[in-house]
Amino acid sequence: DVKVTQSSRYLVKRTGEKVFLECVQDMDHENMFWYRQDPGLGLRLIYFSYDVKMKEKGDIPEGYSVSREKKERFSLILESASTNQTSMYLCASCRTLRTGETQYFGPGTRLLVL
Amino acid sequence: EDQVTQSPEALRLQEGESSSLNCSYTVSGLRGLFWYRQDPGKGPEFLFTLYSAGEEKEKERLKATLTKKESFLHITAPKPEDSATYLCAVQAGRNFNKFYFGSGTKLNVKP
Repeated sequence: DVKVTQSSRYLVKRTGEKVFLECVQDMDHENMFWYRQDPGLGLRLIYFSYDVKMKEKGDIPEGYSVSREKKERFSLILESASTNQTSMYLCASCRTLRTGETQYFGPGTRLLVL
Repeated sequence: EDQVTQSPEALRLQEGESSSLNCSYTVSGLRGLFWYRQDPGKGPEFLFTLYSAGEEKEKERLKATLTKKESFLHITAPKPEDSATYLCAVQAGRNFNKFYFGSGTKLNVKP
């Protein structure tokens, strides 16, 4: 079974703090994704990575950066957290994009920025 | 504009009362349509992938179908444990790198 884990289930941070969210997958998947999920808006793609050190912006990259130094690990960084970044953050991975293969999701990190 | 719309937003059913959830999409270059189940406080769990119009897939009480404009998730004789939010997602784009999610249908099945 594919396993995607996220470093924290719940986080509370202060405005202006730098926040790191980590995601690890154990199936040697090429592609990893970061989404945020907000009520009524569905999942929105922040960034995705198709290889080590390679990344592509999603629909809402502003205020976020990412890092992928190893194939199994994909980090989301909030450089200076703001209250409008309070959300549920979901990491996902998939083996390849070409065949329309499904993404496997982690359990999510619920972030509250005060 | 590429988008995915799910309806209804919420659905309450009695146990055994069959119904359907709708996912309509407007994207160019559909590569795949996915259905997920999401329980409260958890990440989405994969259910089905559909690739082309006319395709159908089944799993227990769930059946997904696809046309050129929409997909349906049919739930036959639902049980309380089917209560969850059901998400629809579309993969599109020449490089397979566009992903669009609907906002989900929250299903509540009462015993």
